[in-house]
Amino acid sequence: EAGVTQFPSHSVIEKGQTVTLRCDPISGHDNLYWYRRVMGKEIKFLLHFVKESKQDESGMPNNRFLAERTGGTYSTLKVQPAELEDSGVYFCASSQWVNTEAFFGQGTRLTVV
Amino acid sequence: AQTVTQSQPEMSVQEAETVTLSCTYDTSESNYYLFWYKQPPSRQMILVIRQEAYKQQNATENRFSVNFQKAAKSFSLKISDSQLGDTAMYFCAFMKPAQLTFGSGTQLTVLP
Repeated sequence: EAGVTQFPSHSVIEKGQTVTLRCDPISGHDNLYWYRRVMGKEIKFLLHFVKESKQDESGMPNNRFLAERTGGTYSTLKVQPAELEDSGVYFCASSQWVNTEAFFGQGTRLTVV
Repeated sequence: AQTVTQSQPEMSVQEAETVTLSCTYDTSESNYYLFWYKQPPSRQMILVIRQEAYKQQNATENRFSVNFQKAAKSFSLKISDSQLGDTAMYFCAFMKPAQLTFGSGTQLTVLP
């Protein structure tokens, strides 16, 4: 069974540009989460989808971040325009139920220069 | 809001020995879940062990076990018979469905 996959694994962009991260959850997992780890800090929750609906987006830092999950399958996280402080590792995770183990992808390392 | 504290940024242990990673948390919730995740170098984060707060018995998974002290809000991870493959960043996490709150992590190095 395929795990959670994220694309790209690394991205280097200039300040002001747009970047779109993609996450493919485990098939059948209705719950999809985005987290990020900014250098030297804890991994922080960004948002939670149940199927295609945003259940909780309390962790989204500002309106430069837009997450979508059309059709309840894969999800994208777009940062537009990117700022230097957006650099970090963005993790995606999925779970079958909200109380069960979340399976993580390998993360996308975003560097904004 | 929940907080999770891992006070040991780095630890090392000799192969085959036992090591304990500490974790404390703060919450006003009564029902929750606690996890230890590990992230090996350049690899994805995987679940090591899980503990439901309503269970008094400490969780065990092969060489990994926890010491869960609910009143003290402590959740330490013991790794027995450490192996080179245990070298990783270990994260303690609290879950209030469906959001995980992570500690800052402990980098564990197993020495040959």
